[in-house]
Amino acid sequence: NAGVTQTPKFQVLKTGQSMTLQCAQDMNHNSMYWYRQDPGMGLRLIYYSASEGTTDKGEVPNGYNVSRLNKREFSLRLESAAPSQTSVYFCASSQETQYFGPGTRLLVL
Amino acid sequence: DAKTTQPPSMDCAEGRAANLPCNHSTISGNEYVYWYRQIHSQGPQYIIHGLKNNETNEMASLIITEDRKSSTLILPHATLRDTAVYYCIVRVLQAGQLTFGSGTQLTVLP
Repeated sequence: NAGVTQTPKFQVLKTGQSMTLQCAQDMNHNSMYWYRQDPGMGLRLIYYSASEGTTDKGEVPNGYNVSRLNKREFSLRLESAAPSQTSVYFCASSQETQYFGPGTRLLVL
Repeated sequence: DAKTTQPPSMDCAEGRAANLPCNHSTISGNEYVYWYRQIHSQGPQYIIHGLKNNETNEMASLIITEDRKSSTLILPHATLRDTAVYYCIVRVLQAGQLTFGSGTQLTVLP
């Protein structure tokens, strides 16, 4: 039982490049979330998916898109990366309690 | 979600109990108290949650006052690996996002 997994662990992008962060969970949870955490700050919600086939904006959705591919997978896409998107990105899933992945550290130059 | 207040930092000697307080005076009747911790740059880790009764699991105990306006997370025998930021969060069960405040930086000293 791997829980919540995220790929990649680290990524360096140049401004304007695009990339997709992958997240998968094996706990059969309905809900999945993407958060970002800037240095010294708390987590902020980017997007969430309450169930397969639905997605909703969180607190800081600008510059991001998401896809709930199936019940297990929830991806986050940066279409044109900006230095302000340098952050650590955490995926989480829940039925009642949220469980988090290990994070993806993204540096945009 | 109700607002929570935690001390910004605490120290604890290794092997002693760590008692982390949290005030949530505006908690509603259907809101649970959740505790998470984040060990340097890792993903937040769920610790425990409760509604009004005291709870215990393999990691910690949660003591909620009778009026539910405050709670205490107890790590019974703190180790160096318990050094982390601890977050107290109040939310309705099955609600959406978690709202993380600034938490308490617990430092376990050798």
